[in-house]
Amino acid sequence: AQKITQTQPGMFVQEKEAVTLDCTYDTSDPSYGLFWYKQPSSGEMIFLIYQGSYDQQNATEGRYSLNFQKARKSANLVISASQLGDSAMYFCAMRGYSSASKIIFGSGTRLSIRP
Amino acid sequence: GAGVSQSPRYKVAKRGQDVALRCDPISGHVSLFWYQQALGQGPEFLTYFQNEAQLDKSGLPSDRFFAERPEGSVSTLKIQRTQQEDSAVYLCASSSTGKTEAFFGQGTRLTVV
Repeated sequence: AQKITQTQPGMFVQEKEAVTLDCTYDTSDPSYGLFWYKQPSSGEMIFLIYQGSYDQQNATEGRYSLNFQKARKSANLVISASQLGDSAMYFCAMRGYSSASKIIFGSGTRLSIRP
Repeated sequence: GAGVSQSPRYKVAKRGQDVALRCDPISGHVSLFWYQQALGQGPEFLTYFQNEAQLDKSGLPSDRFFAERPEGSVSTLKIQRTQQEDSAVYLCASSSTGKTEAFFGQGTRLTVV
């Protein structure tokens, strides 16, 4: 079975500070992908960053980076220099690369940026 | 090109009515997913298509829920005899292959009264 755990229901961060959103996962698939999505109050689900389980380097996309620790089964999202527009729900997700590769999501972290 | 398109954006149904939700994926995308999202929670997997084949329907909550993708493009999620607990946002997503990220539509907010 596959499972994604996000233990921080909500976080408050001062503008311009860096923030780390935690994500741990469990899977029996030897090969898998990890994703982070942002969901603002408007409701759309915005893809942020992807990490493959066999990628040697941690993924980065602009101000977003993924701190991938395979042995610990963690895939934390780091947002550098946070902005007011970063306030949203953030979901960690995983896709196992076995026969039927559905994507499963964690329960999310609500990030609020203080001016 | 255009993103994933879902219609209608909002649907109010009386309890017991049947509803049909439409998803138009990104052109050429092989994989298509349906999710149900309750307020303040993460998306819950409903079903997954690869082209026209429904490879996984393990998340459909009851036999009142049915999904199809007959030509491997547009998909329809049908809910029969709607109940109040069916009220949620229904999200559709598509991806180009079995190993890439999925792109989401804006969702259909279903309210059953």
